[in-house]
Amino acid sequence: KAGVTQTPRYLIKTRGQQVTLSCSPISGHRSVSWYQQTPGQGLQFLFEYFSETQRNKGNFPGRFSGRQFSNSRSEMNVSTLELGDSALYLCASSPRRAETQYFGPGTRLLVL
Amino acid sequence: QQQVKQSPQSLIVQKGGIPIINCAYENTAFDYFPWYQQFPGKGPALLIAIRPDVSEKKEGRFTISFNKSAKQFSLHIMDSQPGDSATYFCAQGVAGGSYIPTFGRGTSLIVHP
Repeated sequence: KAGVTQTPRYLIKTRGQQVTLSCSPISGHRSVSWYQQTPGQGLQFLFEYFSETQRNKGNFPGRFSGRQFSNSRSEMNVSTLELGDSALYLCASSPRRAETQYFGPGTRLLVL
Repeated sequence: QQQVKQSPQSLIVQKGGIPIINCAYENTAFDYFPWYQQFPGKGPALLIAIRPDVSEKKEGRFTISFNKSAKQFSLHIMDSQPGDSATYFCAQGVAGGSYIPTFGRGTSLIVHP
């Protein structure tokens, strides 16, 4: 089976812009979770989608949003980008139980 | 989010050594404790996970020891190899539909040949 894929792999944006990141889970996986990884804060949970519904949400501002499509593919959106949003954004998929997660390679976002 | 305290921040061992990475948790409601391995430029990969009802779990050269009374769990890497050089993260959470994991800050492991 193909692994989790994320696009784009690298992205440069400027403050105030918005960005959309995409994640394709492993075939058959219905749960998709998103994480932010930074040197300062480490790995932090953003949100999880299961069967097109947000099932869990971390402690991030409303500028961070996501959605999941009927084919389980997911997107996350960050509006009004701030310098502190520069990070590696990771997507992870799970067959059903969210804790058995398989991570993608991430999208590295740089906000200038 | 409740913290999981991971130590040490970095670790250097010789090939064949047994690096040990420790994590301490606070909330006894957590019932799922995984370890992840991350290589540069890659996403984390689930190595091994444990539930509080067992004190030890082995998968290949990786062993988790769990001390429920002390609220601590550790990763041991037996016969470490240079290819094990990576960053290791512990995590904690409640398994099932409300899984919102929190992660340790990571341990950078270097295994010298």
